[in-house]
Amino acid sequence: DTGVSQDPRHKITKRGQNVTFRCDPISEHNRLYWYRQTLGQGPEFLTYFQNEAQLEKSRLLSDRFSAERPKGSFSTLEIQRTEQGDSAMYLCASSLAELGDYTFGSGTRLTVV
Amino acid sequence: ELKVEQNPLFLSMQEGKNYTIYCNYSTTSDRLYWYRQDPGKSLESLFVLLSNGAVKQEGRLMASLDTKARLSTLHITAAVHDLSATYFCAVYNPIEETSGSRLTFGEGTQLTVNP
Repeated sequence: DTGVSQDPRHKITKRGQNVTFRCDPISEHNRLYWYRQTLGQGPEFLTYFQNEAQLEKSRLLSDRFSAERPKGSFSTLEIQRTEQGDSAMYLCASSLAELGDYTFGSGTRLTVV
Repeated sequence: ELKVEQNPLFLSMQEGKNYTIYCNYSTTSDRLYWYRQDPGKSLESLFVLLSNGAVKQEGRLMASLDTKARLSTLHITAAVHDLSATYFCAVYNPIEETSGSRLTFGEGTQLTVNP
């Protein structure tokens, strides 16, 4: 297992376009998290899944954001009608509930122009 | 709402010196994480502190947790240039309604070690 994988690594998009990011967690991890990090700040929680169920969403996650984990394995995060304020690093993490150690992926850096 | 504060936010130190980064948090938690982040990179796990009084050491870094004081420290001994990075503490925040959890991060401490 190579850890948590995220794709793409970088995405530049025009304002108003839709973007989708993918996260592949560590295979035996049943929990998956999305965080957003802006320059000079710590990561902020967006949402988390236990298996395929989305159990928690932050107030940061406006209705333009949607996340799925259809088969309890990989997850996608879609942003519709992107705005410049969406520019950030989007980090995915996974964990095993029992251990509680979180492994982060390399992130997807989104730039909205 | 859980708040996590780190200080200092910026730290410039000379090689060979010692220093401590502090992480205070506002509500009860018995688990705390330290991460390192290099510019443009993701988060590298340094320490997981699972109980009051926990102390862990790896190389020139040592982390401790005092859950009663709601305080964790990251101590740097005889700093070297390779330690230059941003260090984050993150507090475990269980979500009772869903039996889930999240991490709440501090703002980070940007450490620069000068030759």
